[in-house]
Amino acid sequence: GAVVSQHPSWVICKSGTSVKIECRSLDFQATTMFWYRQFPKQSLMLMATSNEGSKATYEQGVEKDKFLINHASLTLSTLTVTSAHPEDSSFYICSARGFGALTDTQYFGPGTRLTVL
Amino acid sequence: LAKTTQPISMDSYEGQEVNITCSHNNIATNDYITWYQQFPSQGPRFIIQGYKTKVTNEVASLFIPADRKSSTLSLPRVSLSDTAVYYCLVGGLEGTGKLIFGQGTTLQVKP
Repeated sequence: GAVVSQHPSWVICKSGTSVKIECRSLDFQATTMFWYRQFPKQSLMLMATSNEGSKATYEQGVEKDKFLINHASLTLSTLTVTSAHPEDSSFYICSARGFGALTDTQYFGPGTRLTVL
Repeated sequence: LAKTTQPISMDSYEGQEVNITCSHNNIATNDYITWYQQFPSQGPRFIIQGYKTKVTNEVASLFIPADRKSSTLSLPRVSLSDTAVYYCLVGGLEGTGKLIFGQGTTLQVKP
């Protein structure tokens, strides 16, 4: 149980194009999903919190117009990187908040490797 | 959100027990402690979660003292495949439930 998927697992795009990444909770409903990015040899950095049916909450320093988040259903959140540039190349990971053994627990997707040429 | 502090790296040998300690001096009353494991180019994997005392599952044990200002993840008889980064996080039901990742502990298991 508590499986989270991401699609695609990797993507290569040209500078200036937009890329959409999907995050799905496969066997549970998630009212809250989170998006992270991770650069090589670094820890995960929280980008935004996505709540079903409402606007996402972005962390300080994250451009909301560049990283569009949509959480249209209890099992799907999408992250769109608009007008991508090489500095946006990173590993993007989503998580979904589900109920663990004791309390709400975040379950993570496998990640999406974005390379912008 | 409570800040966590862990050793940056640890080395061990196959078959040994590994204990990774995490400090979280500012843990709140309703915060739980959760540990994740991450391999390169993969998302973090849930290992174990606890509130106080000891929790054990099929892969690890989590020891939490009465003051809850620290916790220790115990991995019994590690193998080479346990080489990974281990993250300790604290958080609870209040608010968004968001987690802020620290630097984690890179565990290197040697043959």
